[in-house]
Formats: sequence, structure tokens, C-alpha cells
Amino acid sequence: DQQVKQNSPSLSVQEGRISILNCDYTNSMFDYFLWYKKYPAEGPTFLISISSIKDKNEDGRFTVFLNKSAKHLSLHIVPSQPGDSAVYFCAASEGNTGNQFYFGTGTSLTVIP
Amino acid sequence: DAGVTQSPTHLIKTRGQQVTLRCSPKSGHDTVSWYQQALGQGPQFIFQYYEEEERQRGNFPDRFSGHQFPNYSSELNVNALLLGDSALYLCASSLVIPSGGEDGYTFGSGTRLTVV
Repeated sequence: DQQVKQNSPSLSVQEGRISILNCDYTNSMFDYFLWYKKYPAEGPTFLISISSIKDKNEDGRFTVFLNKSAKHLSLHIVPSQPGDSAVYFCAASEGNTGNQFYFGTGTSLTVIP
Repeated sequence: DAGVTQSPTHLIKTRGQQVTLRCSPKSGHDTVSWYQQALGQGPQFIFQYYEEEERQRGNFPDRFSGHQFPNYSSELNVNALLLGDSALYLCASSLVIPSGGEDGYTFGSGTRLTVV
């Protein structure tokens, strides 16, 4: 029972363009969401988070949008850079007080120079 | 500032054997969570330890057990290994009550377990 889904296994984008990675969830109790980036042979690295009281959070080139009614969130990377090439995981939890995170299956982003 | 350290990095075991994986959390963190990441999948929550006790547990059988020591380091033990236990095992540390600026987990690089 996959409560967090990333339906696009891979995405290719030209350098300088926008990358949009999507994530859907089914559990309406989820109220805290994160994106992690993972390079080969490394553990996931925290990228950006958003709580359900917001619908947008920005950090530099990265913006996460949350649509609670659609149970959908997206990560926008603008402009995309070759160093952004990695696997991106969406994760969700009930609160941010140490509860477990549910991860999607990941989207492999390739930014073409 | 040392992050999360996991050992060993790679391990090959035979079906039916037992294995112990180790994790040292990021300095200042008090909680350790373990995740299993099978090939092509996202990390799946195994359990979490805080104050040397199992605080939460995911949908994993009792063959998976753990321990947290007074210095916050942790072990993951898997008994009676099955071929399906082959995966990347990730340790993540955090604060049970996140402070300002802390988000989610800090992950280690993982232990790649292969069961043959």
C-alpha cells in the first residue's frame, strides 16, 4: 500500500530550463512533506520541506508547492543545473515531531548540459 | 562536524545467517531511525529508537530488531536472512523534538546488504 507516489520514474531537462517533479499522497493525515535528493552511493540529503499550513515554500532555486485538496505536491527547480542530476524522493509524515516518514519511489532527474 | 556514520558499507551474507549493522548519529541528535531501500523503491521505515527504546515500528517482521546505546548509536539486527532482505539499509538521525532549522532526517550513506 503505497501512501506516497511518484509516478514519473525519470525526467530529462535541458540546463537552464525548469524541472518539475510531482508527488501524490493518499493519507489525509499527512501534514508535513519533504523532498530529498540522492546521489549514487550516498544517503538521501534533505532539500526542502513544507507543512500543510502553507501552499508554497521557496529556497533559492527550489520551490515546493502543496495542493492539499488534490493531495499533490510538486518540486520546481529553476534554473536546472547539471549538478541537480540525481534521484529525488518525496516524503510525508503526520507532523514533524519524530514520526516516521513515508517515501515515494523516486524520480531520476537528468539535466542535460 | 561528523554526519551519520554507518558500518559496514557493504556486506554479503548467506541465507539463514544473522547480520548486525551499525550507526552513529549526527552529533547532537537523539533519535535514530532505520530504513530499508530495495532496488527501485523508496526507503521503507523499519523502526525508530529514542532513549534506548523502540519508539515506532513499521511493517517488518520480528526478525528485524534493534538497539540504541546510551551514546545514541544504534544497531540493526536481522535474523534468519532471506534473499528478499537484500537491500540498502539506511540509518537516519534526528531530534525527537526538532529545533529551529532542523528538518526531517540526516541520513547516512547506508549499508548495502546482499543475501546469497
